[in-house]
Amino acid sequence: GENVEQHPSTLSVQEGDSAVIKCTYSDSASNYFPWYKQELGKRPQLIIDIRSNVGEKKDQRIAVTLNKTAKHFSLHITETQPEDSAVYFCAASALYSSASKIIFGSGTRLSIRP
Amino acid sequence: DAGVIQSPRHEVTEMGQEVTLRCKPISGHDYLFWYRQTMMRGLELLIYFNNNVPIDDSGMPEDRFSAKMPNASFSTLKIQPSEPRDSAVYFCASSFTGGGTDTQYFGPGTRLTVL
Repeated sequence: GENVEQHPSTLSVQEGDSAVIKCTYSDSASNYFPWYKQELGKRPQLIIDIRSNVGEKKDQRIAVTLNKTAKHFSLHITETQPEDSAVYFCAASALYSSASKIIFGSGTRLSIRP
Repeated sequence: DAGVIQSPRHEVTEMGQEVTLRCKPISGHDYLFWYRQTMMRGLELLIYFNNNVPIDDSGMPEDRFSAKMPNASFSTLKIQPSEPRDSAVYFCASSFTGGGTDTQYFGPGTRLTVL
């Protein structure tokens, strides 16, 4: 079955610097890759997603890249701000006939140093 | 729309007791998901429904867990009997289409503590 590995598990960056989180997946049928942000004590919320027919997607300070050949995708946050501090989860999903499987990575705790 | 609604927000119970968690998805969403989140195991998909029908329950840990969706606006996750290792935050999520390939909107979660 699908396996999603996420690195690093913790990341600390200086405010204003960039942060990069990487994920790899195992199922070549995966075609949807969302990223969720979870602040302390809150629910996960989608921040950006990418489908397998594109290689990169941007939304203001956030970008996601996908390399289908290598089966990895990354989240890039530029000009980090204190409110970016949270746990970030990647996920991979594949649609099979009548069902789809979504598997989450183990999460990355991002801390922004003032 | 109020978003996904879950109740209770917190539940403390003793080992062996029955626990029922409730979820109301966003109106018009055809898919409903139940997740469990722990420090050790992260975010795990337990089961999901499409149009009230369970599609994939392979993530349900054991027979003590059961989930139902009697109508489009209500679902329950039941644990009977509960055990301390069931302590976790349980999230319900819903999406408009696409099963796991569409944006999922999470509820606030139910923090379950089994003593």
